[in-house]
Amino acid sequence: DIQMTQSPSSLSASVGDRVTITCRASQGISNYLAWFQQKPGKAPKSLIYAASSLQSGVPSKFSGSGSGTDFTLTISSLQPEDFATYYCQQYNSYPLTFGQGTKLEIK
Amino acid sequence: QVQLVQSGAEVKKPGASVKVSCKASGYTFTSYAIHWVRQAPGQSLEWMGWINGGNGETKYSEKVQGRVTITRDTSASTAYMELSSLRSEDTAVYYCARDWGMNYVAHWGQGTLVIVSS
Repeated sequence: DIQMTQSPSSLSASVGDRVTITCRASQGISNYLAWFQQKPGKAPKSLIYAASSLQSGVPSKFSGSGSGTDFTLTISSLQPEDFATYYCQQYNSYPLTFGQGTKLEIK
Repeated sequence: QVQLVQSGAEVKKPGASVKVSCKASGYTFTSYAIHWVRQAPGQSLEWMGWINGGNGETKYSEKVQGRVTITRDTSASTAYMELSSLRSEDTAVYYCARDWGMNYVAHWGQGTLVIVSS
């Protein structure tokens, strides 16, 4: 199975900040990488697919990059509604696997 | 718009089975696969398997293979996930999610809490 490792596991930031979350795959996955946002008690929300393509309706403050094994999610100009847990997921091969999550908290 | 509406919460005893439904609307059900993903309390997400909405082909995670069965009823635009021989570690929120293409899941159901407790 491909292991997905996110860093950091938690992150404190202030409204208006720009933050970056990284995700590393244990083997190459080309660009078959997605990012999801999850708020407490809610289903995940799809943000980015194919490493850098924005899901329809997602604001451009979210951006993704990377290929192969190393990927990043950047969120610019943080707003209160952006504080949540973020997950990366590879869909290059079965079983599909997720990172352990990065909890973004308000400083 | 794409909507996935799941059945309600369940409480089951160890050893029992549970069947969760996922009713789809807003698109042609047979054109896309449905995935099932679960999330234990305080944990990350775990992919369980998927079903091709058109031909019914399935693929399961090895971790739950043998205990999970995913089916669909095209006339009702509904997918089902049945998990048997339940154990306490199966306590989780179970999500269905629609494939966008090439196993990327873009649309999620609201989740179904399954509690396994004696």
